[in-house]
Amino acid sequence: AQKVTQAQTEISVVEKEDVTLDCVYETRDTTYYLFWYKQPPSGELVFLIRRNSFDEQNEISGRYSWNFQKSTSSFNFTITASQVVDSAVYFCALTLLSSGGSYIPTFGRGTSLIVHP
Amino acid sequence: ETGVTQTPRHLVMGMTNKKSLKCEQHLGHNAMYWYKQSAKKPLELMFVYSLEERVENNSVPSRFSPECPNSSHLFLHLHTLQPEDSALYLCASSQLGMGRGEAFFGQGTRLTVV
Repeated sequence: AQKVTQAQTEISVVEKEDVTLDCVYETRDTTYYLFWYKQPPSGELVFLIRRNSFDEQNEISGRYSWNFQKSTSSFNFTITASQVVDSAVYFCALTLLSSGGSYIPTFGRGTSLIVHP
Repeated sequence: ETGVTQTPRHLVMGMTNKKSLKCEQHLGHNAMYWYKQSAKKPLELMFVYSLEERVENNSVPSRFSPECPNSSHLFLHLHTLQPEDSALYLCASSQLGMGRGEAFFGQGTRLTVV
């Protein structure tokens, strides 16, 4: 069975600081997707990024960047120059791509990020 | 229009009431999910429908009853709930098959059982 661990329950930073949210996953499958979602106070989970297991290229999107390392089974998320609007709960998730694998997302427990002005 | 719409956004109900939560997706997806999110707890998968058939039920109490009349609509019927059922109920949809990808979520229904 697959598992996603977000060891950081809550992170508190001051605006403009950089912050990294950790995600470690476990699966025996070799083909899978990894995701990050943001849950602002409004409640819905907002999709941020999807990365498949064959693509280890890091990705940057504005102030957001993701570091995927298969060797350590990690998919970490960094916010550069954090802003108050980044305050939210962030979830890492995993689904399997193989035909017999579970397409149902497995979520981590989430990391609550609080950015102070 | 948003991809996944949930109604109502907020619901307060007594323990003897019967109510239903509604979810509608406009993304053409073929799988839909109900999740429960309680304070200080991880997301709990409740039900999964794939191609309108229930494929997973994570030992959810019978006071929660899902219904998926078609690929675009998902309901969660509630009856004789308990105060501990108060939570945010999130609906999601995704596409299965070769193009499988991310789940898209609705804004949730904040349920309070009194």
